[in-house]
Amino acid sequence: KQEVTQIPAALSVPEGENLVLNCSFTDSAIYNLQWFRQDPGKGLTSLLLIQSSQREQTSGRLNASLDKSSGRSTLYIAASQPGDSATYLCAVSTSGSRLTFGEGTQLTVNP
Amino acid sequence: DAMVIQNPRYQVTQFGKPVTLSCSQTLNHNVMYWYQQKSSQAPKLLFHYYDKDFNNEADTPDNFQSRRPNTSFCFLDIRSPGLGDAAMYLCATSRGFKQETQYFGPGTRLLVL
Repeated sequence: KQEVTQIPAALSVPEGENLVLNCSFTDSAIYNLQWFRQDPGKGLTSLLLIQSSQREQTSGRLNASLDKSSGRSTLYIAASQPGDSATYLCAVSTSGSRLTFGEGTQLTVNP
Repeated sequence: DAMVIQNPRYQVTQFGKPVTLSCSQTLNHNVMYWYQQKSSQAPKLLFHYYDKDFNNEADTPDNFQSRRPNTSFCFLDIRSPGLGDAAMYLCATSRGFKQETQYFGPGTRLLVL
């Protein structure tokens, strides 16, 4: 059974800092890995999708890497802003369409 | 423009009173999903449709049912809500399986009194 773990559970940083969020998964037989953002009481917004054959994806200040063999992914956020404050969820796609989510990292960026 | 729409955004129901949550999509995607997310927990897949083919997760309670009358709409029916069913219910779509991005709606927060 696939399990996804995200560390840390919560993170508070000053504005402008570069930061890294971590995600690990137990079964390396994945199709892809997605990073999502969730604002309080809202749905999920897809940030980046990395196919199993890829090593990284970039979008603006966000960079996600994937090391499938070791079961790890990182989300790098450059020059953090207060508007980046949210919960960041990592999810892996395994058999068929099933997404298995981690419990998320709650990020607070202080002005 | 909203691509995955969920109504209502907030739903209050009474213990044991059937309730239906609605999801619609403008993406013409083949696959529609329902997830349950309890407070501070990871979203958990309840079931999904590929076109009209229904796929139930093994641990989804019988209390939860779903209908997909056409490509655009999918409904989540909770036959007899209990206090433990209070959660955010998220609908998502994807064009296909495996390597496709899932697009999520804003969610419906269900409160059971």
